[in-house]
Amino acid sequence: KQEVTQIPAALSVPEGENLVLNCSFTDSAIYNLQWFRQDPGKGLTSLLLIQSSQREQTSGRLNASLDKSSGRSTLYIAASQPGDSATYLCAVGFWAGGTSYGKLTFGQGTILTVHP
Amino acid sequence: GAVVSQHPSWVICKSGTSVKIECRSLDFQATTMFWYRQFPKQSLMLMATSNEGSKATYEQGVEKDKFLINHASLTLSTLTVTSAHPEDSSFYICSARKELAGEVDTQYFGPGTRLTVL
Repeated sequence: KQEVTQIPAALSVPEGENLVLNCSFTDSAIYNLQWFRQDPGKGLTSLLLIQSSQREQTSGRLNASLDKSSGRSTLYIAASQPGDSATYLCAVGFWAGGTSYGKLTFGQGTILTVHP
Repeated sequence: GAVVSQHPSWVICKSGTSVKIECRSLDFQATTMFWYRQFPKQSLMLMATSNEGSKATYEQGVEKDKFLINHASLTLSTLTVTSAHPEDSSFYICSARKELAGEVDTQYFGPGTRLTVL
């Protein structure tokens, strides 16, 4: 069964800290992995998309890495700010078989709180 | 760009009524769209895959007669919640798959529709 797990479930840090969110998946046959941000009551904001052939992607203070062989991805947030407080979701696109695109499977999310 | 819209953004209805939610890809064509449901403090769960010109594929445990999906064009998919009940209250999010020449297809997400059934 293709599963995605995110650790920790919740994280509270003081402003300015660097932090790491973890995502693990059970099947290495993936075509991409995405990190999203979701504010309470809102939709998803795509942060970073990593194709299976890539090892990492960077956008501003965010850096996401991908290690297919170990089934892991990390989202690194540098110099955290109160505005970074949100739920962060990891979604993995698993191959359905051959070159057939399978569905995205979401992790349960990490609730991040950055306090001033 | 790749923009996906949903309408309405929120809806309140009485128990027993039917509600239609639209998902549109504004600047690209999408042969495949997806419908997700998210309950409070939970992650997104895929309900069904909507295929243009053919029947939708439903995930296990999702009632196809309750959640009617129509993908009549390459830019529009609709989800109709029939005879809605309070337990159907949820946040419904759609996504559209954009096919990229020479690259891996990517899903783009709509802003979601909050359904409250009284």
